Amino acid sequence: DGGITQSPKYLFRKEGQNVTLSCEQNLNHDAMYWYRQDPGQGLRLIYYSQIVNDFQKGDIAEGYSVSREKKESFPLTVTSAQKNPTAFYLCASKSGGPSNQPQHFGDGTRLSIL
Amino acid sequence: DAKTTQPPSMDCAEGRAANLPCNHSTISGNEYVYWYRQIHSQGPQYIIHGLKNNETNEMASLIITEDRKSSTLILPHATLRDTAVYYCIVLNAGGTSYGKLTFGQGTILTVHP
Repeated sequence: DGGITQSPKYLFRKEGQNVTLSCEQNLNHDAMYWYRQDPGQGLRLIYYSQIVNDFQKGDIAEGYSVSREKKESFPLTVTSAQKNPTAFYLCASKSGGPSNQPQHFGDGTRLSIL
Repeated sequence: DAKTTQPPSMDCAEGRAANLPCNHSTISGNEYVYWYRQIHSQGPQYIIHGLKNNETNEMASLIITEDRKSSTLILPHATLRDTAVYYCIVLNAGGTSYGKLTFGQGTILTVHP
């Protein structure tokens, strides 16, 4: 079945440590997104990518980095510069460029600080 | 992108239709209405979207008023598994934001046995 796979489901980070969240899709979608969701709050866009080897900052990119070396993969690194990383991280993808097609989400990674 | 207003919570009996309203009075002509739902600790699930015509798929129906200022998501035969937070979003998917989704507080739908 086609879909978006995020791993791991739970992740713990030590102080000063960088961690990488994986996002893989087999939907042949061009665009991919990373969002952050905090308890009781909506989504906030971290980064997005419309095509391989290209990505743009979203609203809260500070302390995060991404790469898009393959169409199906869009990993997110939470760096030590991100001072409040505890959150639920969601990866999404959609087909095409600017279009009305919906974004589809993975099941998320929950990141906590040790 | 236009803002939306949804009731904070609704209840529905299992097997009955669940009708979830959404107001989007400032919607512009090129903005679509999208519905997602999120079950606790899971990723949001796309349900349906539309521009001005009513839409139906295997999950739900979307009724958009003629002036497009409001819409209703209909789950025809609600089950316990439909208990979730439902989000109505208005989005210009072709705009410069390239489809950035912004969830509001949504409606907590509780389906009772």
